[in-house]
Amino acid sequence: DGGITQSPKYLFRKEGQNVTLSCEQNLNHDAMYWYRQDPGQGLRLIYYSQIVNDFQKGDIAEGYSVSREKKESFPLTVTSAQKNPTAFYLCASSTAYSTNEKLFFGSGTQLSVL
Amino acid sequence: AQKITQTQPGMFVQEKEAVTLDCTYDTSDQSYGLFWYKQPSSGEMIFLIYQGSYDEQNATEGRYSLNFQKARKSANLVISASQLGDSAMYFCAMREGAGTGGFKTIFGAGTRLFVKA
Repeated sequence: DGGITQSPKYLFRKEGQNVTLSCEQNLNHDAMYWYRQDPGQGLRLIYYSQIVNDFQKGDIAEGYSVSREKKESFPLTVTSAQKNPTAFYLCASSTAYSTNEKLFFGSGTQLSVL
Repeated sequence: AQKITQTQPGMFVQEKEAVTLDCTYDTSDQSYGLFWYKQPSSGEMIFLIYQGSYDEQNATEGRYSLNFQKARKSANLVISASQLGDSAMYFCAMREGAGTGGFKTIFGAGTRLFVKA
């Protein structure tokens, strides 16, 4: 089945540690996105990528980094510079061609600080 | 600046009644798309309905309809005949050009809907 796989489902970070959230898609989509969701709040865009080896900062990129070495994969690293990383992280993908493309989402990763 | 505004943090509706969830947006683009997504307590995001900025007819998908008022920049979601399973978080979203040749989707803060039996 085609879809987006995020792993792990739950992740714990220690003080000063970098952690990486995985996102893989087999939908052959060009565009991929990372969103952060805080309890009871909306989704805020962290980073997005339209094509391989290219990505852009979203609204809250500070303290995060990404790479897009393969079309299928868009990992997100939460660095030690992100002082409040506890949140639900959602990865999404879409075709990159127009404004009428809906997003396909993974099941999310809950990141907590130890 | 907030581009998607959902002014109702929480809404209650009686089962089998209709409910309207409000959404206003702000953009200077002529071409954009408006979406509604549902997020149950499981956390998954479910696409409900889409409206294009050039569409003259309001979009409908089963029990969902989108009341699109372009001049007012509003895109309200109407759920008819509410069911208990409709209890969830609902997000309004807008997809527009990102200025880098691509597109991005931004979301409102959401409305939590509670359906009462």
